[in-house]
Amino acid sequence: DQQVKQNSPSLSVQEGRISILNCDYTNSMFDYFLWYKKYPAEGPTFLISISSIKDKNEDGRFTVFLNKSAKHLSLHIVPSQPGDSAVYFCAARYGNKLVFGAGTILRVKS
Amino acid sequence: DGGITQSPKYLFRKEGQNVTLSCEQNLNHDAMYWYRQDPGQGLRLIYYSQIVNDFQKGDIAEGYSVSREKKESFPLTVTSAQKNPTAFYLCASSMQIQDYEQYFGPGTRLTVT
Repeated sequence: DQQVKQNSPSLSVQEGRISILNCDYTNSMFDYFLWYKKYPAEGPTFLISISSIKDKNEDGRFTVFLNKSAKHLSLHIVPSQPGDSAVYFCAARYGNKLVFGAGTILRVKS
Repeated sequence: DGGITQSPKYLFRKEGQNVTLSCEQNLNHDAMYWYRQDPGQGLRLIYYSQIVNDFQKGDIAEGYSVSREKKESFPLTVTSAQKNPTAFYLCASSMQIQDYEQYFGPGTRLTVT
């Protein structure tokens, strides 16, 4: 029973264009949603978050959108850079726990 | 230079042997976590600890054990009772249990044959 799903295993984008990573969830009790980024041979690092009472949060090139009625969130990266190539995990918080999606591999081509 | 260290990076064991994975943090965080990652799946929570001498089972605790005798250390033992121990194991910490920003170590890849 996957409560957080990232349906696209991979995404390839040209440098300078927009990258859009998507995530769907089933549990309406999640109070925070997060994105983590992971480079090979390193642990995931926190990227950006959004409270369940907001619909948008922006931090530089990264913007997260939350659509509660659709139980969907997305991460927009504009403009995409080759250094953004990594695995992106969507996560959601319920109580003291984080529930993670399976990740999406983003490749930004120069 | 604060962070989380996990050792070793790669670990090989024979079936039926217990093995302990190390996790140390110098971030002065109260909360620590162990996750397991398998191909095509998200990180799944094994155990977590809010504070020294306290820990709770996560979603997949069967076949694992932990201890939290020191604030800095949260070792995970994979016992012979764990049916599918081969996986990538990640340790994490946060300032307090309610903080959603967790800091991860680089992980240990365990292979059991």
